[in-house]
Amino acid sequence: DSGVTQTPKHLITATGQRVTLRCSPRSGDLSVYWYQQSLDQGLQFLIQYYNGEERAKGNILERFSAQQFPDLHSELNLSSLELGDSALYFCASSVTGRTEAFFGQGTRLTVV
Amino acid sequence: AQKITQTQPGMFVQEKEAVTLDCTYDTSDQSYGLFWYKQPSSGEMIFLIYQGSYDEQNATEGRYSLNFQKARKSANLVISASQLGDSAMYFCAMRFVSSGSARQLTFGSGTQLTVLP
Repeated sequence: DSGVTQTPKHLITATGQRVTLRCSPRSGDLSVYWYQQSLDQGLQFLIQYYNGEERAKGNILERFSAQQFPDLHSELNLSSLELGDSALYFCASSVTGRTEAFFGQGTRLTVV
Repeated sequence: AQKITQTQPGMFVQEKEAVTLDCTYDTSDQSYGLFWYKQPSSGEMIFLIYQGSYDEQNATEGRYSLNFQKARKSANLVISASQLGDSAMYFCAMRFVSSGSARQLTFGSGTQLTVLP
């Protein structure tokens, strides 16, 4: 158990819908990262938050957004979903961004 | 641009033998970190081992060791005494500074390891 908690584990939704993925980092970790793993794109960095502030952006679509709350949990919002958004979405956390990033178990999103 | 290359899509190893998974990287940064993760069929990403670019000694964690050759820009993972439970996808990743003090991981395409009884 990495200590990073992601909910839900599985999500099935229809095209055009909006979903929210939730992540609770390890206790004491200030940095939260979101990654997308798909068969064709592999593991792609989406976005990083540090202590509530956006720190870095990767290949994140405009239809996707994220935030980190004062209690350090984070949410990834995916809207106007398309079939191609079906993927495994990981959250990872680390103390400062310099140390090992520990991953949650992921949320498997299926868009039908 | 930072890039991680894993040239072995699939590897087979006999139980109890050692296996080396290859990873090469490309970066112009002087400071970076190299990671290996294991992803079993259940999907979770499990951190295995870390090597900093300034670390002089190769990292070891139990049966895992990292063969770090900085001049060659390679960071191969060595698994000793393979076990059936080692069957999984293995990813090499590099942490680099993306902007300011922000750091992110870039991943290789992975190597699927199968341990044979």
